[in-house]
Amino acid sequence: EAQVTQNPRYLITVTGKKLTVTCSQNMNHEYMSWYRQDPGLGLRQIYYSMNVEVTDKGDVPEGYKVSRKEKRNFPLILESPSPNQTSLYFCASSLRVGAYEQYFGPGTRLTVT
Amino acid sequence: AQRVTQPEKLLSVFKGAPVELKCNYSYSGSPELFWYVQYSRQRLQLLLRHISRESIKGFTADLNKGETSFHLKKPFAQEEDSAMYYCALSDIQGAQKLVFGQGTRLTINP
Repeated sequence: EAQVTQNPRYLITVTGKKLTVTCSQNMNHEYMSWYRQDPGLGLRQIYYSMNVEVTDKGDVPEGYKVSRKEKRNFPLILESPSPNQTSLYFCASSLRVGAYEQYFGPGTRLTVT
Repeated sequence: AQRVTQPEKLLSVFKGAPVELKCNYSYSGSPELFWYVQYSRQRLQLLLRHISRESIKGFTADLNKGETSFHLKKPFAQEEDSAMYYCALSDIQGAQKLVFGQGTRLTINP
C-alpha cells in the first residue's frame, strides 16, 4: 500500500532532550516536506526536500533540522526542544512540487514540557 | 509574498443546504490551487485541484483570477462533509512549497 508513515505518533518529552521524528514513504517521491499544525494558524511548512541531499527551509525552520540521505526517509530532528514546539507535525511527500498531490502521514503529536 | 486566506475559521450549515468555503490567494504568477480535507481522526488528503476541473464528492471549485479566489462549493451538504478544509497554493516559481490557508472547520447539522 502506497503511504507515508511517521513515528512516533505521540510523544511527550522535556525541554532540551533531543528527539527525532521519522518519516518514510514508499512511493519513490522526490519531494518531501514537514509541516506543523497549530490552532488558528493552519499548516506551516518547516523544511522541505526536493530530492536526496537537497533540503531547504520553509516558513518556520527555527529549532528544527532535517536530513535526506535516502529518497524514502526524511527525519525531523529537534536538537533542544522547547515548549513552543508543542504541536501536531505532519510529513508529506509528492512526486514533485507543482500540480502534484501531496500525500500526508498520520501526524505526530508532540508535547514538550 | 504568497498567501492564502480562508476568512472563516468555523462554518456551520444544515444538511441539504448549499455550502461555500471561501479562499482568496495572493500570488504573482499563475497559481496551482488545491483543496485538502481532514476528516475526524484521519490524515489530510487531497479533495480537488483546480487543474483537474473535476467534481469530487459533489464539491467543485472554480479559479477566479480576477478576484484571486478559489472558493469551494457544494449545492447540498451532507453530514459526512463535516471536516476541516484547507485551501493551498503551490508556489512553483519561488520557494517550491505548498502554502496553506488557516483552515475552515465545516460542521453539517442534521
